[in-house]
Amino acid sequence: DAGVIQSPRHEVTEMGQEVTLRCKPISGHNSLFWYRQTMMRGLELLIYFNNNVPIDDSGMPEDRFSAKMPNASFSTLKIQPSEPRDSAVYFCASSLGTSGNSYNEQFFGPGTRLTVL
Amino acid sequence: AQTVTQSQPEMSVQEAETVTLSCTYDTSESDYYLFWYKQPPSRQMILVIRQEAYKQQNATENRFSVNFQKAAKSFSLKISDSQLGDAAMYFCAYRRGGGSEKLVFGKGTKLTVNP
Repeated sequence: DAGVIQSPRHEVTEMGQEVTLRCKPISGHNSLFWYRQTMMRGLELLIYFNNNVPIDDSGMPEDRFSAKMPNASFSTLKIQPSEPRDSAVYFCASSLGTSGNSYNEQFFGPGTRLTVL
Repeated sequence: AQTVTQSQPEMSVQEAETVTLSCTYDTSESDYYLFWYKQPPSRQMILVIRQEAYKQQNATENRFSVNFQKAAKSFSLKISDSQLGDAAMYFCAYRRGGGSEKLVFGKGTKLTVNP
């Protein structure tokens, strides 16, 4: 099993540029999550999808951030325009979703370290 | 809103000894889940152990166990027989019951294991 795949692993860009982060969830998983990790704010959920539909985007910081999930095997997180304060590690995770009140583990990808100069 | 607090930014332990990491949380829900995640220097987030709030018995996974005090809203992690490979950041996380899958994380505790 390949696990959650994220690309790129590292991204360095200049302020004002568009940045696109990509994620391939584990095959068969129904839920996909985007997290951001910074020293100041810790690990916080930005948005999550279930069956390709956004369920909770309350963590998306502002209109510069957008996420899409066009199909069950691919998602993108886009920042346009990027700012230095967006520098962080961005994690994608996936799970089998929920069935009633059962719990299904979230499996994390290796993360993308974004640096905005 | 639910919050998770880890009051120990850093902890250290001698190899083969036992260490306990603290976590408290705030919620008005009665049905929820609690987790401990490990993040080694490789950055990979790894689930260590989980606890369902409706279960009175404390969860155990090999050398890892929790002390779940529901009334006190406390959820500590005990690592027994610490190994060098246990050195990592440890994050406590909360998820309410029902359909939401949103995880709320604490700020983490950096654990150092001394040989």
